[in-house]
Amino acid sequence: GAGVSQTPSNKVTEKGKYVELRCDPISGHTALYWYRQSLGQGPEFLIYFQGTGAADDSGLPNDRFFAVRPEGSVSTLKIQRTERGDSAVYLCASSPDLGGANTEAFFGQGTRLTVV
Amino acid sequence: AQTVTQSQPEMSVQEAETVTLSCTYDTSESDYYLFWYKQPPSRQMILVIRQEAYKQQNATENRFSVNFQKAAKSFSLKISDSQLGDAAMYFCASNTGNQFYFGTGTSLTVIP
Repeated sequence: GAGVSQTPSNKVTEKGKYVELRCDPISGHTALYWYRQSLGQGPEFLIYFQGTGAADDSGLPNDRFFAVRPEGSVSTLKIQRTERGDSAVYLCASSPDLGGANTEAFFGQGTRLTVV
Repeated sequence: AQTVTQSQPEMSVQEAETVTLSCTYDTSESDYYLFWYKQPPSRQMILVIRQEAYKQQNATENRFSVNFQKAAKSFSLKISDSQLGDAAMYFCASNTGNQFYFGTGTSLTVIP
């Protein structure tokens, strides 16, 4: 596709359930980022991938959060035993090159997760 | 770690007028880049303008320009000839290569 695609657009789940959020980056982009944006806040870094490997997962809040990118393209953010505090918009971004700090990140439209 | 501060939660501007959004940052890195992103209600973050820290010349993109004061660690965004389509959340961000650090955003309203 032309841009970063995230599915689903909205997800409502019950407390304690497991959810998966999917990100399709721009074709050929090697770097992929996950961010979490709570209401009234800026995006907060969770994890980024260079290719298939998680190069930095320091932003994951706890071990209920996990992300994979098995073939270096699509990524899935997985949240176990969801809590109401996990409710937020989860943004995915990709960029063509991790080597330069000037590289623009292209964002998807996010998945709004609501835990009830 | 880096921090980015946007002290204006909300701003408004009359259509066709000029508005300046403030941003300060703190970093110990010598090589970094600064960005302004726009987030409309669709939630998609859109790059507005980018500044390399090693460049003294302020970046300009059509009606958008920045005032980059490196010593003061200030990076403000000026929007000239404001248009209704400029209404959105604006986020200032810094990047040293691995992560983007975002401020809390400024909600810009454009008054017809």
